[in-house]
Amino acid sequence: DVKVTQSSRYLVKRTGEKVFLECVQDMDHENMFWYRQDPGLGLRLIYFSYDVKMKEKGDIPEGYSVSREKKERFSLILESASTNQTSMYLCAIQTGGGRNYGYTFGSGTRLTVV
Amino acid sequence: DQQVKQNSPSLSVQEGRISILNCDYTNSMFDYFLWYKKYPAEGPTFLISISSIKDKNEDGRFTVFLNKSAKHLSLHIVPSQPGDSAVYFCAASALYNFNKFYFGSGTKLNVKP
Repeated sequence: DVKVTQSSRYLVKRTGEKVFLECVQDMDHENMFWYRQDPGLGLRLIYFSYDVKMKEKGDIPEGYSVSREKKERFSLILESASTNQTSMYLCAIQTGGGRNYGYTFGSGTRLTVV
Repeated sequence: DQQVKQNSPSLSVQEGRISILNCDYTNSMFDYFLWYKKYPAEGPTFLISISSIKDKNEDGRFTVFLNKSAKHLSLHIVPSQPGDSAVYFCAASALYNFNKFYFGSGTKLNVKP
């Protein structure tokens, strides 16, 4: 089974800091995604990537950027962290093929911005 | 505007009884649906899927029903077990944009022993 690893389970950062969230997959999947999960709002897509150096904005990209220099690694960057970016961040890869597909998620990073 | 809605934020069920979790969607182009289960401090895990060519898909204790005319799907868990206590998310995608899933806000299920 594919494994999606997020480097940190819990992070506490100060307002204004630049924050890097890392996601690594152990297979060769092309499509990778960053979501945030907030109570009552479900999972909202921040950014996704179809391949190395390719990225697309999701529904809530403001305040975030991403980097994909290698196929297995997809990084989410908070340029200047703010308290409203306190959230659970989830990385996902698209698995399966044809019309039998879905996401495999990492275990998440709980980020608190103080 | 959320295209996938789970209107019940929480549900409490007795062990051994049926749990029914509901999900509504607005986009008639959605043709593939997933349910995910999420425990606290963990990522969501895939539970069951259904495509629009079916109206029912079953996997053990879990059954998903799809009513396309009503734009409604439901997840049935029978019998419910305490280990099923988690947050359940439904998700939908459309053939024209199959890489992107839209998620509901989740329903927190509590199965009481």
